[in-house]
Amino acid sequence: GDSVTQTEGLVTLTKGLPVMLNCTYQTTYSPFLFWYVQHLNEAPKLLLKSSTDNKRTEHQGFYATLHKSSSSFHLQKSSVQLSDSALYFCALSASNMGYKLTFGTGTSLLVDP
Amino acid sequence: EAAVTQSPRNKVTVTGGNVTLSCRQTNSHNYMYWYRQDTGHGLRLIHYSYGAGNLQIGDVPDGYKATRTTQEDFFLLLELASPSQTSLYFCASSDARGPYEQYFGPGTRLTVL
Repeated sequence: GDSVTQTEGLVTLTKGLPVMLNCTYQTTYSPFLFWYVQHLNEAPKLLLKSSTDNKRTEHQGFYATLHKSSSSFHLQKSSVQLSDSALYFCALSASNMGYKLTFGTGTSLLVDP
Repeated sequence: EAAVTQSPRNKVTVTGGNVTLSCRQTNSHNYMYWYRQDTGHGLRLIHYSYGAGNLQIGDVPDGYKATRTTQEDFFLLLELASPSQTSLYFCASSDARGPYEQYFGPGTRLTVL
C-alpha cells in the first residue's frame, strides 16, 4: 500500500547551519506531497505542498522539490533558526486514496543557539 | 485560514469510562478527520467523514466510534476507554476540491488511568 518514510527521528543542529529532512514515499498512483510543521503544544500546520515533478516549492525559507524518479520530497533550509525547532511531518495524498493523507512518523528538529 | 476547534483540550478518565471528544469547523469543508498522535507513530487516522451522517473507517478504528451530526460538527466516542487510548487527538478538515490539504484543530490530550 501507499506509505511515507522519514528516516530521521531527531535532528539536532546549531543555529545558522543548513538542514535537510528526508522524505520518501511509495505509491503507484499520481502523488501529492505535503510537509507539515508542528511546534510544541500546537496543531500541525501546512508548510509546503507539491505535485509537480522537479519543481522547487518554497515557503518561510523552507524549500522542497518533488522528484518522482526517486520518490522523494526532502525538506531543506539554508540557515536554521531557533524558531525552527519543531516536529516535521511529510504526508502523501495519492489519486487512489481519495481524501486521505498518509503521514510519515515525523522528524523532530532541535536547533541549538 | 481554516478554523477548527476542539473540546475539551484536556481530559482524564478511568478505564472503562465513556468519553466524547468534540470538533467543529467553520469553513464549510466537506471532509473531517480524527487522528491520534503517539511518539514514534506520527499521525494515525481513526475515522473520517465526507458529510453529515457519513462515516468512513480509518486505519486504527478499533475501540472508537464517530458521528458527524452536521457539516460543522464531528464527534469521537470512546465507550469503554482503555489505557492504550491515552494519546493526543487531533481533528482536521479539508475541502472536497483537491489537493485535500488538511487544517488541524488544537488537539485534545486524553489520559485514561
